[in-house]
Amino acid sequence: QKEVEQDPGPLSVPEGAIVSLNCTYSNSAFQYFMWYRQYSRKGPELLMYTYSSGNKEDGRFTAQVDKSSKYISLFIRDSQPSDSATYLCAMSGGAGNQFYFGTGTSLTVIP
Amino acid sequence: GAVVSQHPSWVICKSGTSVKIECRSLDFQATTMFWYRQFPKQSLMLMATSNEGSKATYEQGVEKDKFLINHASLTLSTLTVTSAHPEDSSFYICSATKPNYGYTFGSGTRLTVV
Repeated sequence: QKEVEQDPGPLSVPEGAIVSLNCTYSNSAFQYFMWYRQYSRKGPELLMYTYSSGNKEDGRFTAQVDKSSKYISLFIRDSQPSDSATYLCAMSGGAGNQFYFGTGTSLTVIP
Repeated sequence: GAVVSQHPSWVICKSGTSVKIECRSLDFQATTMFWYRQFPKQSLMLMATSNEGSKATYEQGVEKDKFLINHASLTLSTLTVTSAHPEDSSFYICSATKPNYGYTFGSGTRLTVV
């Protein structure tokens, strides 16, 4: 079983839709959870960084962590064409520990 | 599922020496591999893109003579940090992909230069 599972998509939504991106994981020791956005030919850009369980909101983006279910989500409200990218989840057991990435979900927001 | 093995997971080296990091795709043929660098609490920075059998394409500001990348086969890419200095201490991570495939990341290498 892989450490982190993420549906690669592709996911296509109309502009203004709410997007839900999800990852599941198997290692209960993971404490740090991250979401990255990657545009074509660019390095992943850190979007959200969450420690342990709970919600974190930043503008149109909300990250949720449910450690009991080993499930994390990223919600994008009022999606824009500029949100079209690949979104990767990542997690680790602690600062300085190894990262484990999902494979990324390709998102296209249609104007 | 796709697996990328990155080795070593951590390494300490003396200033002035060279360090080689390997990235292997274990169960698929990776036509493209990426090398990233990350400083604490910062995003991954793309260093270079390598396609099997051709020279790596380096991002602006990355010294190609210092960070040597070789992608000799569809399952192996290596990053050699030459004449390492303390400022090269960082977390290096690779990812591998092929057309219509997601990205698969290695688990990273923590390099400490003393």
